[in-house]
Amino acid sequence: GAVVSQHPSRVICKSGTSVKIECRSLDFQATTMFWYRQFPKQSLMLMATSNEGSKATYEQGVEKDKFLINHASLTLSTLTVTSAHPEDSSFYICSASNDYGYTFGSGTRLTVV
Amino acid sequence: GEDVEQSLFLSVREGDSSVINCTYTDSSSTYLYWYKQEPGAGLQLLTYIFSNMDMKQDQRLTVLLNKKDKHLSLRIADTQTGDSAIYFCAESDQAGTALIFGKGTTLSVSS
Repeated sequence: GAVVSQHPSRVICKSGTSVKIECRSLDFQATTMFWYRQFPKQSLMLMATSNEGSKATYEQGVEKDKFLINHASLTLSTLTVTSAHPEDSSFYICSASNDYGYTFGSGTRLTVV
Repeated sequence: GEDVEQSLFLSVREGDSSVINCTYTDSSSTYLYWYKQEPGAGLQLLTYIFSNMDMKQDQRLTVLLNKKDKHLSLRIADTQTGDSAIYFCAESDQAGTALIFGKGTTLSVSS
């Protein structure tokens, strides 16, 4: 079946630094990748939709300059949290749509100290 | 906008059936999904149903869809302790668009 590999699974960074999260579709081409953020004991909130080769579409309230999304190829999408602050600490999950439906990465736990 | 609602908690005994309910507001919802999330992990697709179906059964899982009332349920037969997790209901109105998730139902199974 379809697999999306997301890494790192956990990252701790200092406040003010940037962190890059990668999502790769291993056995299919992901034309569209979705990025979600999940706060503890809460639902997944859609942050942005990225299409290969074009700019990402961000949801209302999500700062595009802070959460940089790049989808340069059909198998790779990245989310960079720039100048991270403790309030950016969260669980980030990517998802790709394909013929099988939606395949999710295993998530990245970001902790900003 | 679209909204998906779920009850937040459900507690059952091992061996009993669990029924997790979900309501949605988007009448154009075409695809409805159930996902399972264990602590610290990503999402695992359990099952899905198309809006032109009323029921779908897959081993211990039964999904019922009442499109008129916009109500979806997931029944887990013979619930086991390993079923303890958060269950998310999600919908999309067309293939390839982002899923809208409910807040998740925490299922606690006691032995």
